[in-house]
Amino acid sequence: GAGVSQSPSNKVTEKGKDVELRCDPISGHTALYWYRQSLGQGLEFLIYFQGNSAPDKSGLPSDRFSAERTGGSVSTLTIQRTQQEDSAVYLCASSLGPWGYTFGSGTRLTVV
Amino acid sequence: DQQVKQNSPSLSVQEGRISILNCDYTNSMFDYFLWYKKYPAEGPTFLISISSIKDKNEDGRFTVFLNKSAKHLSLHIVPSQPGDSAVYFCAASSNSGGSNYKLTFGKGTLLTVNP
Repeated sequence: GAGVSQSPSNKVTEKGKDVELRCDPISGHTALYWYRQSLGQGLEFLIYFQGNSAPDKSGLPSDRFSAERTGGSVSTLTIQRTQQEDSAVYLCASSLGPWGYTFGSGTRLTVV
Repeated sequence: DQQVKQNSPSLSVQEGRISILNCDYTNSMFDYFLWYKKYPAEGPTFLISISSIKDKNEDGRFTVFLNKSAKHLSLHIVPSQPGDSAVYFCAASSNSGGSNYKLTFGKGTLLTVNP
């Protein structure tokens, strides 16, 4: 597609439930990133995928968070046993190289 | 520990005047800096960047200045237009350790340009 597509755009879930957030990067972009923006905060790095290399998971805040990228394209960010502090906008971006990110519009996650 | 700081949460300017958005950083390993613009309900879009080997980069109405000794950068928009109203994020990366892809963002400054 023309841009980075994320779904759903909004998600309300009950505390303790699992959620899956999806990202469709720009076709041909080898790098894919997940960031999140909590209320009143800057964007926080979560995870980075580059081609077939092992992902950089150093930004994942806890072991409840995981992500995968299938076939070098679509990525899914999974949050298990959601907590209220997980409420944030989750942004996916893709690029051909470092820095030249194109961000998606994000998924606004609200844990109630 | 916030490594990139945007101390002004908001800024309001008159159309046609200059907008100056400021950003300070604490990590001396940062060597590449970027500005992103974000409209409501959209993802951030890249605006302009600067390498630490430069002190100025200009692109049309947008100029970024870098003062390495002060660990400070600023974004100048001249002349400001109502369509520039958005949240502006400062971001930085470091090439050390091979993780130059990882950006550290500030909290953003909401710019409002009044007609």
